[in-house]
Amino acid sequence: GAGVSQSPRYKVAKRGQDVALRCDPISGHVSLFWYQQALGQGPEFLTYFQNEAQLDKSGLPSDRFFAERPEGSVSTLKIQRTQQEDSAVYLCASSRYSGRADTQYFGPGTRLTVL
Amino acid sequence: AQSVTQLDSQVPVFEEAPVELRCNYSSSVSVYLFWYVQYPNQGLQLLLKYLSGSTLVESINGFEAEFNKSQTSFHLRKPSVHISDTAEYFCAVMPLDTGGFKTIFGAGTRLFVKA
Repeated sequence: GAGVSQSPRYKVAKRGQDVALRCDPISGHVSLFWYQQALGQGPEFLTYFQNEAQLDKSGLPSDRFFAERPEGSVSTLKIQRTQQEDSAVYLCASSRYSGRADTQYFGPGTRLTVL
Repeated sequence: AQSVTQLDSQVPVFEEAPVELRCNYSSSVSVYLFWYVQYPNQGLQLLLKYLSGSTLVESINGFEAEFNKSQTSFHLRKPSVHISDTAEYFCAVMPLDTGGFKTIFGAGTRLFVKA
């Protein structure tokens, strides 16, 4: 079946603009994760959903970052008043179950550039 | 706090030579351990994981990693690499503490296999 998809693949924003990044997980997957990957670094955890419940948002860097998954499938990561340090690749991953050992399947990412 | 250190940012190696990609972690709680691979122009994918039991885990394409609790290491090895193994490899840990779902990644090691 189809893998995790993300849109847009590339986004350029002017500093101060709001952006919304979309993630379509694998159908039926319970768990959904968001990560931020800066250039030359590994992914950094942002937040975790189990169905529609956001169970862990400890990695969100500021209150400008907000994520939702209202129906337990598609998720949106919103960044308000973007700043240059928000420039990164944003990765979404999903897993079939809710266990921490379950395999995460990653999307291709959205590359955000803030000018 | 937990951290993951990948000691080599780049590893060039000739085809059919052995390779070891080093990973050390720091954690005050037990962890699950993972290696992920990112091939050129592809998304991250799980290579192998250690959850419990035998400290030596293997992947389907000939890689293996050994969990060493006393040295807090999880080095990745392959006895004979192929051109197709050229990719970026990320070591990661998931702390088994209060129920969080955070995966902590290292900065990555770029493996370049030369003919």
